[in-house]
Amino acid sequence: DIQMTQSPSSLSASVGDRITITCRASQGIGRYLAWFQQKPGKAPWSLIYDASSLQSGVPSRFSGSGSGTEFTLTISSLQPEDFATYYCQQYYSYPQTFGQGTKVEFK
Amino acid sequence: EVQLVESGGELIQPGGSLRLSCVASGFSFSSFALSWVRQAPGRELEWVSTVGGNSDNTNYADSVRGRFTGSRDNSKNTLYLHMNSLRVEDTAIYYCAKDGNYYGSGGLDHWGQGTLVTVSS
Repeated sequence: DIQMTQSPSSLSASVGDRITITCRASQGIGRYLAWFQQKPGKAPWSLIYDASSLQSGVPSRFSGSGSGTEFTLTISSLQPEDFATYYCQQYYSYPQTFGQGTKVEFK
Repeated sequence: EVQLVESGGELIQPGGSLRLSCVASGFSFSSFALSWVRQAPGRELEWVSTVGGNSDNTNYADSVRGRFTGSRDNSKNTLYLHMNSLRVEDTAIYYCAKDGNYYGSGGLDHWGQGTLVTVSS
């Protein structure tokens, strides 16, 4: 199975900050990577697919990059509604696997 | 607008069986793969199963293979998860999610609100 490791596990930031979350795969997955946002008690919301393509309706302050084994999710200017937990997921091969999550908290 | 509505979750004893349903609307149902993803209380997301557009390609997590069966009825726009031999560790919110393509290699793009399965004596 492909292991997905996110870092950091949590981070504290302020409104307006630029933040970056890293996701590393235990083996190459091309660009078959997605990012999701989840708020407490809510279903996940899809942000990015194919490593860097924004899902419909996702604000342009979100961006993704990377290929192979290392990927990043960047929020260029953190907004109050962005405080949440973020997950990466590989869909290069089965079983599809998720990272453990990165919680973005208010500083 | 894409909508996915799960149902069927309940409190059930270990060893029991349950069937979850996910009714979809707002897209060409048979043209896209659909997945089940679960989340135990306080834990991360865990992929469970993906069913291809015509049920011709179904995959499972090791933790549920042989106990869970994913299926779909394209005439009813409905995805199912048949769960047998349930264990305490199957306790979770179960989400239905739509894939971006027929094969399950397009990335999940829409999610339902989830249905809670609690396995306890």
